[in-house]
Amino acid sequence: DAKTTQPPSMDCAEGRAANLPCNHSTISGNEYVYWYRQIHSQGPQYIIHGLKNNETNEMASLIITEDRKSSTLILPHATLRDTAVYYCIAAWRAGSYQLTFGKGTKLSVIP
Amino acid sequence: EAQVTQNPRYLITVTGKKLTVTCSQNMNHEYMSWYRQDPGLGLRQIYYSMNVEVTDKGDVPEGYKVSRKEKRNFPLILESPSPNQTSLYFCASSLYLGRGLSPLHFGNGTRLTVT
Repeated sequence: DAKTTQPPSMDCAEGRAANLPCNHSTISGNEYVYWYRQIHSQGPQYIIHGLKNNETNEMASLIITEDRKSSTLILPHATLRDTAVYYCIAAWRAGSYQLTFGKGTKLSVIP
Repeated sequence: EAQVTQNPRYLITVTGKKLTVTCSQNMNHEYMSWYRQDPGLGLRQIYYSMNVEVTDKGDVPEGYKVSRKEKRNFPLILESPSPNQTSLYFCASSLYLGRGLSPLHFGNGTRLTVT
């Protein structure tokens, strides 16, 4: 799997968009970008994933650059419940089963 | 309800006393995996299993064993626990789609303390 790099922490005002960046400069053409989050010490929760097109679901949007070397997870209207550690991982969906999570970004949503 | 169930949630034990942490999923998932989480180190994969009787090492397998005799269960075994195995453990499962995995479903974690 490609190595991903994320900032260790970020703050966001409640109600504003939270934009969480992830660098994956060594990503290969068949590796997907997955985002998970972990609230306190609960089990991580899947948010969204994509290959090269931008993706949106009820939780978030994922913007992947054209060269696929970086991506941004967007939480459009952050709430206090979005305070969590967010993990970006690059995994070859077609066969890479050794998934490495890394340390993630601690997002603090501030009232 | 679709879920991954780990037991126990909390466990305190002493060095060298064998223990097993159970993991069960009710989603008929082929793929199951164990992670440990330590402050400052993120989530690290211990072992994973692609299907019954098929297991492979992750990033930190030393000191752990697993078995996959049934599709729904994937127990984590510590034959001789040591204090450096004090950690928060997560089990996860996923559906094998033929061309990869669906997103992972995680259990609620087991907090293990070895004294």
